[in-house]
Amino acid sequence: QKEVEQNSGPLSVPEGAIASLNCTYSDRVSQSFFWYRQYSGKSPELIMSIYSNGDKEDGRFTAQLNKASQYVSLLIRDSQPSDSATYLCAGGNTGKLIFGQGTTLQVKP
Amino acid sequence: EAGVAQSPRYKIIEKRQSVAFWCNPISGHATLYWYQQILGQGPKLLIQFQNNGVVDDSQLPKDRFSAERLKGVDSTLKIQPAKLEDSAVYLCASSLVGGNSNQPQHFGDGTRLSIL
Repeated sequence: QKEVEQNSGPLSVPEGAIASLNCTYSDRVSQSFFWYRQYSGKSPELIMSIYSNGDKEDGRFTAQLNKASQYVSLLIRDSQPSDSATYLCAGGNTGKLIFGQGTTLQVKP
Repeated sequence: EAGVAQSPRYKIIEKRQSVAFWCNPISGHATLYWYQQILGQGPKLLIQFQNNGVVDDSQLPKDRFSAERLKGVDSTLKIQPAKLEDSAVYLCASSLVGGNSNQPQHFGDGTRLSIL
């Protein structure tokens, strides 16, 4: 099992819909989790961090962490074409981040 | 607040040549990371510095890659000699602290390296 796994997609949703991005992780990655957005040809940009079980909301974004099931998700409400990008899930352990391969999101007008 | 600065943005070299990348982290950030991102993959950590000491270089191909952060601020990553498989984007990131604390990492714009 990879340490951090994501479905590469693409995930296609219509404008205004909720986009749901998922990530699973192994026992080696357990302390904290981050979601980064990466536009084509650009560097990763941090959009959410989550450290404990439950939900964390920030504007249109909600991160969810379930340590018992070892998954973390990102919900994007009212998706916009400008949200079209690759979303990277990263898990942290002892100061090191391990990234998944990313999920490409396409929001169609 | 100025972000992580990297240069050059693009580099094209032939295989077996050498290349160097430079990174200046966000002011006050003690921890600096170099990542390699191959097209279609997530970033892979090459080396992590805490101030001017190496914390983790387990995935750095030490026969050809080297990195230093002599004064605990800016850093250089070198590849010598380059191979075709080194074609990738090299990302530098920094965070406020490292060690056992998982602080968010902030990335520079990266250097896109093409090997001919």
